[in-house]
Amino acid sequence: KAGVTQTPRYLIKTRGQQVTLSCSPISGHRSVSWYQQTPGQGLQFLFEYFSETQRNKGNFPGRFSGRQFSNSRSEMNVSTLELGDSALYLCASSLGGPQIFGGELFFGEGSRLTVL
Amino acid sequence: AQSVTQPDIHITVSEGASLELRCNYSYGATPYLFWYVQSPGQGLQLLLKYFSGDTLVQGIKGFEAEFKRSQSSFNLRKPSVHWSDAAEYFCAVGARAAGNKLTFGGGTRVLVKP
Repeated sequence: KAGVTQTPRYLIKTRGQQVTLSCSPISGHRSVSWYQQTPGQGLQFLFEYFSETQRNKGNFPGRFSGRQFSNSRSEMNVSTLELGDSALYLCASSLGGPQIFGGELFFGEGSRLTVL
Repeated sequence: AQSVTQPDIHITVSEGASLELRCNYSYGATPYLFWYVQSPGQGLQLLLKYFSGDTLVQGIKGFEAEFKRSQSSFNLRKPSVHWSDAAEYFCAVGARAAGNKLTFGGGTRVLVKP
């Protein structure tokens, strides 16, 4: 069974540009969450999607957005990049379901974004 | 809102020695508790989780953790560490009302001396 796949693994952008990151969850998983990991702030929750709907959102500015497709694949977008957006962006999938908490999260290896 | 504190930023341990990583959480109700491990350049791998029931939880790679409600703690232990256990360890808390949002501690980096 394939794990969570994130693309691209590494990317370099300049300030003001935008970036789109992709996440393919484990087959059968309907919930996808995104986290930002930086040395200074640690791991911070960005948002969660379940059945194409944003179910939960962290405290990030509107420049950070996401979406989920009918096949559960998810993308996140960061517009007008700032130097502080340099981070490892981790995607996690879980079964989800009617209950609020879907249980164990399985993480991908992340997309490392560098903003120059 | 829930929060997680991992008091130790770095821990150095000799190979074969025991290891204990501390985790304290703040949450009003019974939390869902997790320990994840992250090797350099990798994502997070779940070591173990606590949802309810027996407060001593067994995980993968020989790790265990004990949930102590009175101390709001969920410390991770391993009786004998291997060089491959060198990594960063994260404690996380989830809550029934928070969807699949996890709140992570700052992490503890473990170095293993030969």
